[in-house]
Amino acid sequence: SAVISQKPSRDICQRGTSLTIQCQVDSQVTMMFWYRQQPGQSLTLIATANQGSEATYESGFVIDKFPISRPNLTFSTLTVSNMSPEDSSIYLCSFQTSGIKGASEQFFGPGTRLTVL
Amino acid sequence: GENVEQHPSTLSVQEGDSAVIKCTYSDSASNYFPWYKQELGKGPQLIIDIRSNVGEKKDQRIAVTLNKTAKHFSLHITETQPEDSAVYFCPVRGSQGNLIFGKGTKLSVKP
Repeated sequence: SAVISQKPSRDICQRGTSLTIQCQVDSQVTMMFWYRQQPGQSLTLIATANQGSEATYESGFVIDKFPISRPNLTFSTLTVSNMSPEDSSIYLCSFQTSGIKGASEQFFGPGTRLTVL
Repeated sequence: GENVEQHPSTLSVQEGDSAVIKCTYSDSASNYFPWYKQELGKGPQLIIDIRSNVGEKKDQRIAVTLNKTAKHFSLHITETQPEDSAVYFCPVRGSQGNLIFGKGTKLSVKP
């Protein structure tokens, strides 16, 4: 199966600054997603990263706060803008293998642990 | 919309015992049921999945069973080992193709 990596693995940032997280998959994938997981909690979908077009955001998440890029089928970035302590969380990149919708598998990166002071 | 509930939220077993985690989903059109294991400090790892045309699937010490009529599916781990300690998730597929996660089950296997 494809290998997915994220950079950075963790970071400590000051409030008001922005952090860009990179996600790289070692093969071309159709669907990529960004999730957030607060400590001890479940995963919440932020957005679907669409190649060549704007990301599709879930309720409660907006482009100005979490701009996403997806320049090609193997790479995506998520930026956490104007950070506050409430943004402290684990951010996970994920991709879905090609196949009939509903039958394809989904894999996750190792996550980026963000702490905002 | 799609929804999934897991039970129990925490589970503690002795090494060698079996563990069972049950998930109930709301969308009767769901046809794909994966299980993920998340160890501390890592991303979720797909450990087993089942399609709706199959009632049971096994892979060594783990198995998943599906009851489409009752809209629930379960993860069975036999001969548990300390390395099985983790949080287990049973997400369901949303209308956009993404996975929707429940709250997870924290499994602790005591040596």
